[in-house]
Amino acid sequence: SQTIHQWPATLVQPVGSPLSLECTVEGTSNPNLYWYRQAAGRGLQLLFYSVGIGQISSEVPQNLSASRPQDRQFILSSKKLLLSDSGFYLCAWTRDSFGNTIYFGEGSWLTVV
Amino acid sequence: AQSVTQLGSHVSVSEGALVLLRCNYSSSVPPYLFWYVQYPNQGLQLLLKYTSAATLVKGINGFEAEFKKSETSFHLTKPSAHMSDAAEYFCAVTQGSSNTGKLIFGQGTTLQVKP
Repeated sequence: SQTIHQWPATLVQPVGSPLSLECTVEGTSNPNLYWYRQAAGRGLQLLFYSVGIGQISSEVPQNLSASRPQDRQFILSSKKLLLSDSGFYLCAWTRDSFGNTIYFGEGSWLTVV
Repeated sequence: AQSVTQLGSHVSVSEGALVLLRCNYSSSVPPYLFWYVQYPNQGLQLLLKYTSAATLVKGINGFEAEFKKSETSFHLTKPSAHMSDAAEYFCAVTQGSSNTGKLIFGQGTTLQVKP
């Protein structure tokens, strides 16, 4: 069966520090991968998605970037965090782009102080 | 462009009562629609999805939703609420006619179940 792992689960970072959140999917190959953010009191917003290694699409302009160095690995990064980057970040995957369910990781709580 | 509106950020029901969470969507193409549940400090779990088959969709934990094109609605219901149903619920629509990973979410509805 397929599983998705995301870490760290929680982190507190000072403003201006770097960020790296990592996500891996097991039990499947060539998944579509996604990063979502849930800001406090708001719904989820798609940040990035990837249909293959090295292929990243950004949905909204922001202080973050994403990379996909391996087929089942998706990384969310920032060089300098802002207070507004605080939130709950969710990694997700689908088998392909057509009609299949999206599966979410357990999420990472980021607090920028 | 697609959008989702969830009416009511907080809904409170008594245990055993009917649960009704409202979702209206806007889409220029036939939508795929989803309901997700999020328990505290956890990721999202799919409750059910509509992908142009039967308009009445049954999901997990006794939930179901009915796709009504004329009303552009996809309301979530459960006949009898259980304490374990207390959580946040999100309605979502796909961006475009496919790609079920690119979702547009509503703002969420927090369901409170009172004993």
